[in-house]
Amino acid sequence: KQEVTQIPAALSVPEGENLVLNCSFTDSAIYNLQWFRQDPGKGLTSLLLIQSSQREQTSGRLNASLDKSSGRSTLYIAASQPGDSATYLCAGSRGYQKVTFGTGTKLQVIP
Amino acid sequence: NAGVTQTPKFQVLKTGQSMTLQCAQDMNHEYMSWYRQDPGMGLRLIHYSVGAGITDQGEVPNGYNVSRSTTEDFPLRLLSAAPSQTSVYFCASATDRTTQSPETQYFGPGTRLLVL
Repeated sequence: KQEVTQIPAALSVPEGENLVLNCSFTDSAIYNLQWFRQDPGKGLTSLLLIQSSQREQTSGRLNASLDKSSGRSTLYIAASQPGDSATYLCAGSRGYQKVTFGTGTKLQVIP
Repeated sequence: NAGVTQTPKFQVLKTGQSMTLQCAQDMNHEYMSWYRQDPGMGLRLIHYSVGAGITDQGEVPNGYNVSRSTTEDFPLRLLSAAPSQTSVYFCASATDRTTQSPETQYFGPGTRLLVL
């Protein structure tokens, strides 16, 4: 059974710092991996989707990488801002029935 | 373009009552799914659908029923509510054109359910 782990569970950084969030998964045969952000009391917002054939995806200040052989994905946030404060979730998908979420990293960016 | 909508936003039920959580999307996505989110646990897949008339179970289907009569709507029914079903429920839709797997998933705002 796929397990997805996100460490650390919480992270606090000063504004302007570059940071990396980690996502580890046990089943390397995933079809894709997706990163989301979730604001308190809200739904999930998709940030980036990486297909299994891709190594990374970029959107603005965000860059996500995928290394299937090591079972790791990272989300890099450049020049962090207070508005980036949220919980970040990753999810690995290996078919319609097999979508596994991590428990998330709660990020606080301090002005 | 409303995306994925869910109703109600909040509901309180008594043990044994039944109810239906509504979900609709206007993006013409074939894949739709229901998740529950509990503290300290990742989102868990309850049921999913890959098109009208086609549904299947996810990781935690017990106590829940779904149907998909149209592409747009995917309601989740709680048959006889139990306190263990207290949770936040999210509906999502996605494309799945290139792989046998949901791709970019779009989530609704969630329904907070309290079962007493």
